[in-house]
Amino acid sequence: EAGVAQSPRYKIIEKRQSVAFWCNPISGHATLYWYQQILGQGPKLLIQFQNNGVVDDSQLPKDRFSAERLKGVDSTLKIQPAKLEDSAVYLCASSLDGQAQETQYFGPGTRLLVL
Amino acid sequence: AQSVTQLGSHVSVSEGALVLLRCNYSSSVPPYLFWYVQYPNQGLQLLLKYTTGATLVKGINGFEAEFKKSETSFHLTKPSAHMSDAAEYFCAVNRGAQKLVFGQGTRLTINP
Repeated sequence: EAGVAQSPRYKIIEKRQSVAFWCNPISGHATLYWYQQILGQGPKLLIQFQNNGVVDDSQLPKDRFSAERLKGVDSTLKIQPAKLEDSAVYLCASSLDGQAQETQYFGPGTRLLVL
Repeated sequence: AQSVTQLGSHVSVSEGALVLLRCNYSSSVPPYLFWYVQYPNQGLQLLLKYTTGATLVKGINGFEAEFKKSETSFHLTKPSAHMSDAAEYFCAVNRGAQKLVFGQGTRLTINP
């Protein structure tokens, strides 16, 4: 079974530029998550989708971050404009149906460096 | 709000020694509890989880954890450390409709 795919793996940009990350979840998983992991910290949820609807985006900085999940499968996370403090690893995860006891399966992440 | 505290950001043990990584949570209702492992430049992988039933949970790679409600703890153990266990370990909790909340992580180093 294929895991969660993410691209690119690494990205270096200058502040005020824009960047986009892509995620393809495990086939059949209805729930998709985007996490931000700052160096030395645990992952923090940015947004959660159930199929193509948003369940929780309370910690997404909506003035600069946006995300969409077209047709309830792939998802993109965009930052525009980027700030220095956005340097982090962005992890995508998926689970079968979003229940609290379910295992979330993580992709390898995209490491973003903002200069 | 639920939170997770991992005691010790860095733990170092000798190969073959006992591994003990500590995790305490704050929640008025017993949550679902998880341990994830992260190897360098990789995503997180589930080691084990507690949902209901037996409080001693066995996971992959010889790890286990015990849910102790009275102590609000979910410590991770392994009887004998192996060099391949060197990684970052995260404890996480989820309760009901709330999101998965991770601890700060503990970096485990294995000395030969």
